[in-house]
Amino acid sequence: DVKVTQSSRYLVKRTGEKVFLECVQDMDHENMFWYRQDPGLGLRLIYFSYDVKMKEKGDIPEGYSVSREKKERFSLILESASTNQTSMYLCASSTLAGSHRGTDTQYFGPGTRLTVL
Amino acid sequence: AQTVTQSQPEMSVQEAETVTLSCTYDTSESDYYLFWYKQPPSRQMILVIRQEAYKQQNATENRFSVNFQKAAKSFSLKISDSQLGDAAMYFCAYRSMEYGNKLVFGAGTILRVKS
Repeated sequence: DVKVTQSSRYLVKRTGEKVFLECVQDMDHENMFWYRQDPGLGLRLIYFSYDVKMKEKGDIPEGYSVSREKKERFSLILESASTNQTSMYLCASSTLAGSHRGTDTQYFGPGTRLTVL
Repeated sequence: AQTVTQSQPEMSVQEAETVTLSCTYDTSESDYYLFWYKQPPSRQMILVIRQEAYKQQNATENRFSVNFQKAAKSFSLKISDSQLGDAAMYFCAYRSMEYGNKLVFGAGTILRVKS
């Protein structure tokens, strides 16, 4: 089974702190994604990466950055956390579209509920 | 840009009965994928069912089936013989064929199952 893990289920930080959210997948997937989930808004894509050291902005990248130094790990960084970044953060991974290794279904981690005070 | 709309914030169903969750989307593309994901309370999001737009036949997975109406841009999920374990938030999602694997999600529908 595909396993996507996230470093914390719950996190409480102070305004202005630098925050790191870590995501690890064990299926050798090329693609990795960071979403935030807010009530009434569904999931919105923050950043994604289709290869090591590659990253692309999603729909709401402002206030976030990412790092992908190894294929299995994708980190989301809040340089200076603000209260409007209080949310549930979900990581996902998938194979490349059209990959012979199977479908390109996205597999999700359990989520990190971040509260910024 | 594509958009996905789920017009039902909450739905309720009696155990063993059938419920349909609605989803509409807006796109100018002719080929794409559609998905329903399930997010149980405090648990991981999992894929329920997927549909390729070029396939006319509606996808089915056990008690879950879709009604895909391409011209109407509608993609509803039918859950038959509802079980308590079906209680969850359900998200409809769209994926373009043109670039990458990015998903566009609807706002979600909370499904409550009554015993």
